[in-house]
Amino acid sequence: QQPVQSPQAVILREGEDAVINCSSSKALYSVHWYRQKHGEAPIFLMILLKGGEQKGHDKISASFNEKKQQSSLYLTASQLSYSGTYFCGTETGGTSYGKLTFGQGTILTVHP
Amino acid sequence: SAVISQKPSRDICQRGTSLTIQCQVDSQVTMMFWYRQQPGQSLTLIATANQGSEATYESGFVIDKFPISRPNLTFSTLTVSNLSPEDSSIYLCSVEDRATGELFFGEGSRLTVL
Repeated sequence: QQPVQSPQAVILREGEDAVINCSSSKALYSVHWYRQKHGEAPIFLMILLKGGEQKGHDKISASFNEKKQQSSLYLTASQLSYSGTYFCGTETGGTSYGKLTFGQGTILTVHP
Repeated sequence: SAVISQKPSRDICQRGTSLTIQCQVDSQVTMMFWYRQQPGQSLTLIATANQGSEATYESGFVIDKFPISRPNLTFSTLTVSNLSPEDSSIYLCSVEDRATGELFFGEGSRLTVL
C-alpha cells in the first residue's frame, strides 16, 4: 500500500523552512527520500533505517519513527535549488528487500 | 555510486506496437528494478530483474505485457508490448547500492503512445 505524504504542495520564500511527512500503514524496514526536478530522474537524499534514526546533511534532515511508521523530512533555510517534487519511498524488508513503494509526492516551490 | 544509461530517452509509438527499453549499468549488480511513472504521478515498481532467473512482477503487472530480459549483471531490457495510450509514461531503470541502500535511477525513457 502506498505511503501517504503531506502536504501535497508547499510554496516557500527563500530562507523559509518546510516539513514533509510520510506515513505508512505497514511496518517499515526503512524510509528513503528522493527529490525529482521536472524532466529529470529522482535523486537520492537520504535513507533512514528502523531504530528512530535521524539523519541530515547541509540544511536537509529527516527522522523516522518506526512505532508510528512515519517519517518527516525537514528543509531549513530553503534555497531556490530545493524546488522539486519530494517522494518518500518505503521498504518493508524481508522478500521486499530493495523494493520501494513511493508516496504520491509533495511539490515544493521556492520563490526568491 | 552507479551510473545508469537508458535508451531510448524518449520515443513516440503507434498503438499496438512494442517498445524495448535498454538499461546499462557501469558496475555489476544483482538486482535491477524497473519503475513506471505516469504523467504527474509517483513511481510504481513494475518488476525486479535478477540475472539468471525470471523477473519478479508486482501486482498489476504481467510478463506478457512487460517482458524483461537480464542476460548479464550489467544489462537489462524492458519491453512494453501491445501499446495503448495508457502506457504513455516514463519508464525508469534503477539499481541499489547494497552497502548504503541508496537507489540509483537512470534518466528514464519517456514513451508516448498515439
